[in-house]
Amino acid sequence: DAGVIQSPRHEVTEMGQEVTLRCKPISGHDYLFWYRQTMMRGLELLIYFNNNVPIDDSGMPEDRFSAKMPNASFSTLKIQPSEPRDSAVYFCASRPAYSTNTGELFFGEGSRLTVL
Amino acid sequence: KNEVEQSPQNLTAQEGEFITINCSYSVGISALHWLQQHPGGGIVSLFMLSSGKKKHGRLIATINIQEKHSSLHITASHPRDSAVYICAAYGNQFYFGTGTSLTVIP
Repeated sequence: DAGVIQSPRHEVTEMGQEVTLRCKPISGHDYLFWYRQTMMRGLELLIYFNNNVPIDDSGMPEDRFSAKMPNASFSTLKIQPSEPRDSAVYFCASRPAYSTNTGELFFGEGSRLTVL
Repeated sequence: KNEVEQSPQNLTAQEGEFITINCSYSVGISALHWLQQHPGGGIVSLFMLSSGKKKHGRLIATINIQEKHSSLHITASHPRDSAVYICAAYGNQFYFGTGTSLTVIP
């Protein structure tokens, strides 16, 4: 399997523009997570889905952020309008429903967003 | 106040040393994750624990639910272990530690 695939890897945009980040989880994984990492706040969970249904979106900063998972193989995180304080690395991760012995979360390589 | 506290924040060790990173949490949890983030930025999930101990290669993770404490041990440390190690506790939401930056010197 190719692992969790995120796109774009890097995005530079201007304040006020719409940003869409994409994630393809590992096939067969039931859970999908969106995280944000900044120097100031570290790693934060934004939202997670189970079987395409949003379960916990309490980490979504405000109404400018929205996430969807229209099917088991695709999710988007949208920021509209973007602001400079949204600059961060956004990670997508997935995992299967049942635990295995070691690492349970599989992370994508991240999307580095810079809002000017 | 952080719900998850890690110590130390920074750690430098000589190759071959035994390393311990600690994580204490103040909330009720159902699972605790240890994550590894390399200088390039990629994150790897090392362990998910809900009780006891797990081992994978030179890495060992333990958790004491009563004391709300977990440790990550690295035996025979190697320069390639140099990374930031992050503890993440999951109760009704995820709480992340600020990370421990480990440097292993040859």
